[in-house]
Amino acid sequence: ETGVTQTPRHLVMGMTNKKSLKCEQHLGHNAMYWYKQSAKKPLELMFVYNFKEQTENNSVPSRFSPECPNSSHLFLHLHTLQPEDSALYLCASSQEVDTNQPQHFGDGTRLSIL
Amino acid sequence: GQQLNQSPQSMFIQEGEDVSMNCTSSSIFNTWLWYKQEPGEGPVLLIALYKAGELTSNGRLTAQFGITRKDSFLNISASIPSDVGIYFCAGQTLAQKLVFGQGTRLTINP
Repeated sequence: ETGVTQTPRHLVMGMTNKKSLKCEQHLGHNAMYWYKQSAKKPLELMFVYNFKEQTENNSVPSRFSPECPNSSHLFLHLHTLQPEDSALYLCASSQEVDTNQPQHFGDGTRLSIL
Repeated sequence: GQQLNQSPQSMFIQEGEDVSMNCTSSSIFNTWLWYKQEPGEGPVLLIALYKAGELTSNGRLTAQFGITRKDSFLNISASIPSDVGIYFCAGQTLAQKLVFGQGTRLTINP
């Protein structure tokens, strides 16, 4: 139990569907992150939130839309995804962005696009 | 962008053997982290290194932050079956961004 919970664990969707991924952290952290993990590639940072404010969008296509209503919750809204978007999506949290405190990860959502 | 070269990409060893893997970069990092990821789970933090030259142990795991701040290694002594997984290094830049290596997949033959 890492203190970061992601739901659902698995998601299969068509290219025209709209779905959302959810992340919740119970660590009292103020920074939250979305990463994409594809086979044989390093983890790719997608978005960063610090105290609910988005501080980084790593050139992510607009079909991915993040939302951070408070420091404990982070969502990733998905719309008209492409087959190449199939991957493991990992959420992480840390104390704050501008510190060297390590990030702690959830177990991810395995996304498959048909 | 900044990149980490992690090697080896995969290792096949016998139970009881020692393991060594490393990460190198042309860039300087102010923190080095080592994570382990098992199937169906997210990366779990193993060791965090904050100072150049620092040598830190966590049970059978030992990691070092290179003096040049451009590299780090992880050693596992006397491997056991539950050590199986993918090990990732990650370097934190001065701008507090985390850059990950490609991972080392460890397989252990009993």
